[in-house]
Amino acid sequence: GESVGLHLPTLSVQEGDNSIINCAYSNSASDYFIWYKQESGKGPQFIIDIRSNMDKRQGQRVTVLLNKTVKHLSLQIAATQPGDSAVYFCAENIDGNAGKSTFGDGTTLTVKP
Amino acid sequence: GAVVSQHPSWVICKSGTSVKIECRSLDFQATTMFWYRQFPKQSLMLMATSNEGSKATYEQGVEKDKFLINHASLTLSTLTVTSAHPEDSSFYICSARVLGRSDYGYTFGSGTRLTVV
Repeated sequence: GESVGLHLPTLSVQEGDNSIINCAYSNSASDYFIWYKQESGKGPQFIIDIRSNMDKRQGQRVTVLLNKTVKHLSLQIAATQPGDSAVYFCAENIDGNAGKSTFGDGTTLTVKP
Repeated sequence: GAVVSQHPSWVICKSGTSVKIECRSLDFQATTMFWYRQFPKQSLMLMATSNEGSKATYEQGVEKDKFLINHASLTLSTLTVTSAHPEDSSFYICSARVLGRSDYGYTFGSGTRLTVV
């Protein structure tokens, strides 16, 4: 399953499928990007990050892709599990800007068993 | 490592009273902490940046006198919502920047659900 366009508010996938969550960031000067997972009633949890000198970074079951040309970020989750159900936010940062993050609107991922 | 403890996790207060929210870095020193507010089904909005030993920097539109931030030590930052009103009801979340790390503030507290009645 994949969220398209700027980003859809929700994405529903079948357990075991791969998920792709998209994010369009706003500031061309941003050079550090983070994906967070937020479960209901909890604070955001760091998933993976990437700096602007890279276009791909892989973690455990997750991959982040960065396309600076079109200011687009995506998070790929392999073999999505019910525990992956949450809201996913991308955040952009500017090096030297006191570490402040600007968060995207978020995508709600629902994994169907 | 890099755990931020936030308390209380939820609080209900009467309109006109003040509420203090604490964020502590448990196993690292946080020179900088960030305070965010999140309304239901919305994203996180940065309210202010607090630096240990100096005045906080507030984002545009955030009232300094209403949201008092104190960062008196490298392990503790507090946010006090003064004279709270129902429109202040929200989910408040802190984030800490780890001293010496090259990555920025990606350690978040668990959040505080504030309900003003």
